[in-house]
Amino acid sequence: DVKVTQSSRYLVKRTGEKVFLECVQDMDHENMFWYRQDPGLGLRLIYFSYDVKMKEKGDIPEGYSVSREKKERFSLILESASTNQTSMYLCASSSPTSGSLEQYFGPGTRLTVT
Amino acid sequence: AQKITQTQPGMFVQEKEAVTLDCTYDTSDQSYGLFWYKQPSSGEMIFLIYQGSYDEQNATEGRYSLNFQKARKSANLVISASQLGDSAMYFCAMRSDTGGFKTIFGAGTRLFVKA
Repeated sequence: DVKVTQSSRYLVKRTGEKVFLECVQDMDHENMFWYRQDPGLGLRLIYFSYDVKMKEKGDIPEGYSVSREKKERFSLILESASTNQTSMYLCASSSPTSGSLEQYFGPGTRLTVT
Repeated sequence: AQKITQTQPGMFVQEKEAVTLDCTYDTSDQSYGLFWYKQPSSGEMIFLIYQGSYDEQNATEGRYSLNFQKARKSANLVISASQLGDSAMYFCAMRSDTGGFKTIFGAGTRLFVKA
């Protein structure tokens, strides 16, 4: 059974802290994605990666960075958390071997920055 | 720039009736894919249906069908015989086949199924 896991379901951090959100998939997928989900805005793409050590900016990369040192793990880093980064963060993965490249999602991390 | 537009923030449908959720997209790619995902109140994202840009026939998956009109750049989701369990957020998404399979989502439509 395919699985994408995220390190925390809920996280509370203070403004200015460095925050790490971890995502692990066990499907040997090449592509991994980080989104944030906010009411009325849907899912917005922060960063994605199509191979180990490769990363591409999405639509809202400002204030975030990512790391992909191993195929199964894709980390999202908030260098200095701010209150406007309070959101639900969703990780997803997909594989080119699937004809459609549908994405498999993790359960999400609800991050609150105070 | 690529964009997905879902113009219906919320929709109501009577149980057992059909409903259409609208999605329009904008891309300069020749090859791309279109998806619909469902997000129940529990929060997980569930893949429903896929349409490739070169597929000539509309995709169907059980009670779900995708009304693909390429010239109009629309990819509407049709749910037939609505059930109470269909109440959820529905997201339209588009995958680019250039630049690493970037996938973007629309703002979503919340569907309420009435008994």
